[in-house]
Amino acid sequence: AQSVAQPEDQVNVAEGNPLTVKCTYSVSGNPYLFWYVQYPNRGLQFLLKYITGDNLVKGSYGFEAEFNKSQTSFHLKKPSALVSDSALYFCAVRPRGYQKVTFGTGTKLQVIP
Amino acid sequence: DSGVTQTPKHLITATGQRVTLRCSPRSGDLSVYWYQQSLDQGLQFLIQYYNGEERAKGNILERFSAQQFPDLHSELNLSSLELGDSALYFCASSAQGLAGQETQYFGPGTRLLVL
Repeated sequence: AQSVAQPEDQVNVAEGNPLTVKCTYSVSGNPYLFWYVQYPNRGLQFLLKYITGDNLVKGSYGFEAEFNKSQTSFHLKKPSALVSDSALYFCAVRPRGYQKVTFGTGTKLQVIP
Repeated sequence: DSGVTQTPKHLITATGQRVTLRCSPRSGDLSVYWYQQSLDQGLQFLIQYYNGEERAKGNILERFSAQQFPDLHSELNLSSLELGDSALYFCASSAQGLAGQETQYFGPGTRLLVL
């Protein structure tokens, strides 16, 4: 069975500092990996995805994620956090050839001014 | 704005009742997905439709059913409602949804409260 783990319920970071939101997954084969962000009372917004190729994926709003096959991780990063980045972040995995997508439990990012 | 619309935004009903949630995908998108988001279970995939046909099924209860119509809008029917069904229900759409790599675009959600 496929699964996604976001080990931190909340991440606090000072504005201007780099941020990392962690995600590890368990699935057979090479999956598609996604990051979404959810602002209060809003739907999820797509940030970036890994399909194949370069392990460093660049996405919206200055976010990027690094795919590490050996560690089965797909951590979300940003060099310099903004207060407006404060939101709930979800990692998701979808095995190739299979339609069901599994989301992590979400990590609340709090950027402190 | 993702281009996915959901109605109603809020729904309050009683246990045992039946409700219908509606979703209109982005223009041109053929796949529609339904999700349930609750505090205790997180974001759960319920079901996917592609061009009117069921494509994938997740953790959808037998009391729940969905369909996608010829104009590609979709409805999620929840029946014999229980208190535990109170949640935020999201619809998402994607252009095709067959290869698995496509980005899903989420609607704003319908907040269901069962009293």
